[in-house]
Amino acid sequence: GAVVSQHPSWVICKSGTSVKIECRSLDFQATTMFWYRQFPKQSLMLMATSNEGSKATYEQGVEKDKFLINHASLTLSTLTVTSAHPEDSSFYICSARAGSPYEQYFGPGTRLTVT
Amino acid sequence: DAKTTQPNSMESNEEEPVHLPCNHSTISGTDYIHWYRQLPSQGPEYVIHGLTSNVNNRMASLAIAEDRKSSTLILHRATLRDAAVYYCILRRPNRDDKIIFGKGTRLHILP
Repeated sequence: GAVVSQHPSWVICKSGTSVKIECRSLDFQATTMFWYRQFPKQSLMLMATSNEGSKATYEQGVEKDKFLINHASLTLSTLTVTSAHPEDSSFYICSARAGSPYEQYFGPGTRLTVT
Repeated sequence: DAKTTQPNSMESNEEEPVHLPCNHSTISGTDYIHWYRQLPSQGPEYVIHGLTSNVNNRMASLAIAEDRKSSTLILHRATLRDAAVYYCILRRPNRDDKIIFGKGTRLHILP
């Protein structure tokens, strides 16, 4: 089956620094990628949608200057959390869509801890 | 967007069938019923989907009510590895479709 990877799987950073999370579709080309955030004991919250070569579309309430998304190729999207603060500590999950809406697969997630 | 309602949590014994209900009374004719599950500390994974007819695959079965206002995900023989949060989601097959997760049902499997 289709595989989506994320790197790193976990990261600890100091408050005020930036951290980049990569999302790759390993065996298919992803026309669209999605980024989600999940706090403990809560559901996944969609942050943004990005199409290859286009600017990302952010959901209401998500700061686009804080969560920078780049989708430069059909197999790679990156999420950069800028000037991270402890409240940004969360589980970040990406999802990649191959072609049809139902060919959508999720990555294993990246746990970010900001100290 | 059409909404789904699921119980917050359910419990089942290992090796027994599990029936996870989902209500979607405002479902429209073009909405497909999808189920995903999220194992602890992992990303979600697709389980099954259907439109009107009942569906079976290697993971589960999906029973859809005749009026489509509810559905039930059936795990025929639960194992400890099936302990997860199960999400029932309505989706439309168009380019703008986004998977929006509700609270889901946390399934506990008792050994």
